[in-house]
Amino acid sequence: DTEVTQTPKHLVMGMTNKKSLKCEQHMGHRAMYWYKQKAKKPPELMFVYSYEKLSINESVPSRFSPECPNSSLLNLHLHALQPEDSALYLCASSQVQGYGYTFGSGTRLTVV
Amino acid sequence: AQKVTQAQTEISVVEKEDVTLDCVYETRDTTYYLFWYKQPPSGELVFLIRRNSFDEQNEISGRYSWNFQKSTSSFNFTITASQVVDSAVYFCALSEAAMDSNYQLIWGAGTKLIIKP
Repeated sequence: DTEVTQTPKHLVMGMTNKKSLKCEQHMGHRAMYWYKQKAKKPPELMFVYSYEKLSINESVPSRFSPECPNSSLLNLHLHALQPEDSALYLCASSQVQGYGYTFGSGTRLTVV
Repeated sequence: AQKVTQAQTEISVVEKEDVTLDCVYETRDTTYYLFWYKQPPSGELVFLIRRNSFDEQNEISGRYSWNFQKSTSSFNFTITASQVVDSAVYFCALSEAAMDSNYQLIWGAGTKLIIKP
């Protein structure tokens, strides 16, 4: 299995909702990442987990809350988002931090 | 400072033409990695190649080829005999091996490639 699986593929949520994005990989990768990508822009790094510990938080607002329950799973909990948070959210994994990234197909999030 | 420049915002060619996507990078590290990713309209980022700074050999994979030149800090990507399925946004990225870099990917702005039938 050489894939990173993200669910859901599409999500529409109101500004008062709480939702979660899920990411799963079974390649034995020990680093996992959340990226945010706005239209016509490159991805922007949000969080990095290395060996299930948060190693990088790129000054992301607290309405985004990451969680790494185990080495195969990565969640992104969303609460009280703003319309400008609408974007494609990509999950990635690598063998160790920085090597051979594999990306998921992303969750297209719309905040209304 | 680290930087990746993809000067071509959009390229449009007719199917079967060859096309080269340019990538110029800046880094003070001697050890670094360069990547190309393809992002079709469906959204996923597809890994194409990873090259480390000590390996300047050009790479060919089917219709794809890459030309890495440290002297000009360039890592260009050529598609030979382009096909409509090659239409996508292509990103070049840099990752440094310095201890404080955390191996973060530094992305170029992307080049949108349109292949017309």
